[in-house]
Amino acid sequence: QKEVEQNSGPLSVPEGAIASLNCTYSDRGSQSFFWYRQYSGKSPELIMSIYSNGDKEDGRFTAQLNKASQYVSLLIRDSQPSDSATYLCAVGTGFQKLVFGTGTRLLVSP
Amino acid sequence: EAQVTQNPRYLITVTGKKLTVTCSQNMNHEYMSWYRQDPGLGLRQIYYSMNVEVTDKGDVPEGYKVSRKEKRNFPLILESPSPNQTSLYFCASSLGRVTYNSPLHFGNGTRLTVT
Repeated sequence: QKEVEQNSGPLSVPEGAIASLNCTYSDRGSQSFFWYRQYSGKSPELIMSIYSNGDKEDGRFTAQLNKASQYVSLLIRDSQPSDSATYLCAVGTGFQKLVFGTGTRLLVSP
Repeated sequence: EAQVTQNPRYLITVTGKKLTVTCSQNMNHEYMSWYRQDPGLGLRQIYYSMNVEVTDKGDVPEGYKVSRKEKRNFPLILESPSPNQTSLYFCASSLGRVTYNSPLHFGNGTRLTVT
């Protein structure tokens, strides 16, 4: 079992819709959770971090964490074509590193 | 501007020719790390450093060396590159131990091709 799993996609949504991206992790001791956005050929860019169960909102983005189910999600409201990218879920294991999922490719069509 | 700077952005080399990819950050971060990114495998950690003169192996350290003589610099050295090291490399840094309030910030990447 991979440490951090994401559906590779692509996830296709129309402009203005809500995009829902999901991630599961295997290490129950994980403490910090991150969502990065990566455009093709570019570096990962931090969108949000979360550490406690529940929701955290920042503009059009909401991160959701459920430690009991070992599940992290990212909701993008009012999706825009510029949101089309690969979204990386990363989990902080406490061993001085982040473990990354392989990413979900999001396509937002005008 | 706060940033992590990698050089070069693109590098084509031949098997066995030693090379160094430089990484520098201007944020006074203690933690620095190198990742490689390959299709289908995602980002995998090569080495990390918690502070000057403190380095440790990540998940895929074979064929790589690092050093941390100064806080701001963390070069990645390939003593004898091989074609399986063809990849996209990222340097990253964080204020301290990577936590929700000390996230990783990435450099722009170095695309390495070894023929």
